[in-house]
Amino acid sequence: GENVEQHPSTLSVQEGDSAVIKCTYSDSASNYFPWYKQELGKGPQLIIDIRSNVGEKKDQRIAVTLNKTAKHFSLHITETQPEDSAVYFCAATPQGYSTLTFGKGTMLLVSP
Amino acid sequence: EAQVTQNPRYLITVTGKKLTVTCSQNMNHEYMSWYRQDPGLGLRQIYYSMNVEVTDKGDVPEGYKVSRKEKRNFPLILESPSPNQTSLYFCASSRTVNYGYTFGSGTRLTVV
Repeated sequence: GENVEQHPSTLSVQEGDSAVIKCTYSDSASNYFPWYKQELGKGPQLIIDIRSNVGEKKDQRIAVTLNKTAKHFSLHITETQPEDSAVYFCAATPQGYSTLTFGKGTMLLVSP
Repeated sequence: EAQVTQNPRYLITVTGKKLTVTCSQNMNHEYMSWYRQDPGLGLRQIYYSMNVEVTDKGDVPEGYKVSRKEKRNFPLILESPSPNQTSLYFCASSRTVNYGYTFGSGTRLTVV
């Protein structure tokens, strides 16, 4: 099955800096890569996703890049704000699979 | 409002006392899934359902049961809870597995 590794496990940045979270996957057939944000006491919420026919996708301060050759994808947050502080999860699933495999999460702390 | 509703939010029970955690979605999603979240282990899938009357095991199904008699409901049943099932549980739904999940707010279960 698919295996997703996520790094770093914790990331501390100053407000206004950029943050990058990286994930690698094992199954070259994976074609869907979502990112979720989990705030304290809440369920994960989808913030952005990318499919394997696209190399990069942006939504305001958030962007995701995908390198299919190297089998890794990354979340980029620019101009970080304290409200970006949360746990972020990456995930991947191959076409035809019935489950989504999650990374173990990255706790992002943005200091004012 | 499109949402996944889990009940209860918090539950403390004793070893061996059967319990059910309910999950309902109002988005007409075909795919539903249960996850448990534990520190350092991320989100691990317990069971999933591709449609009514179609369920299958995830990564950690031991000690759990599910049913999918209606499209909107996907209850999680612990027939004889044990302390190692103390965890934070999330229900999620989606149009398909290769699409963004909507998560519920979570159920914090403690088994003593």
